[in-house]
Amino acid sequence: EAQVTQNPRYLITVTGKKLTVTCSQNMNHEYMSWYRQDPGLGLRQIYYSMNVEVTDKGDVPEGYKVSRKEKRNFPLILESPSPNQTSLYFCASSPRPYNEQFFGPGTRLTVL
Amino acid sequence: KQEVTQIPAALSVPEGENLVLNCSFTDSAIYNLQWFRQDPGKGLTSLLLIQSSQREQTSGRLNASLDKSSGRSTLYIAASQPGDSATYLCAVRNDYKLSFGAGTTVTVRA
Repeated sequence: EAQVTQNPRYLITVTGKKLTVTCSQNMNHEYMSWYRQDPGLGLRQIYYSMNVEVTDKGDVPEGYKVSRKEKRNFPLILESPSPNQTSLYFCASSPRPYNEQFFGPGTRLTVL
Repeated sequence: KQEVTQIPAALSVPEGENLVLNCSFTDSAIYNLQWFRQDPGKGLTSLLLIQSSQREQTSGRLNASLDKSSGRSTLYIAASQPGDSATYLCAVRNDYKLSFGAGTTVTVRA
């Protein structure tokens, strides 16, 4: 089944404890991206990747890192999480940037 | 910076009524516009993708129109059903970035 998977789906952590949210797609898509969704603000793009080893900032990249060492994986790294990063995170992929976007199920992160 | 607005924020209709959801955007230099559906606690499901050169796109009971010059798109859902209750999001593509509206939450009353 063609899909975008994220792990973990739910995470509660404490301020300053490094964490990684994984994203993987099995559709051989070149374009992948991360978003956060907050009440009243909608989805905002954090980072995107055009292909392996090619990443760029979205609208809200502060406090996040990404890497794209393999085509299928695009992990989101929070090196020192803070409470303002409590949010619902989505990973998405598409064959090219201008194609239909396919979203993962989301990761609900709480930083205490 | 692209700004995407969806009005109304919430909508409640009786079953069988047609739904009209609006999306407006400030920068008309878009590549495409995509409508999504989001159920509570779930991810986003793509409904329709309209390329900038298209005026409309249809899928079953769904029809989306695009007026790029005026910065507007409308999603029509015919003969609404309780299963259509969800939040509907529009997203606009400029360059390599996708900008979302805050969504319209729809409740269809049986």
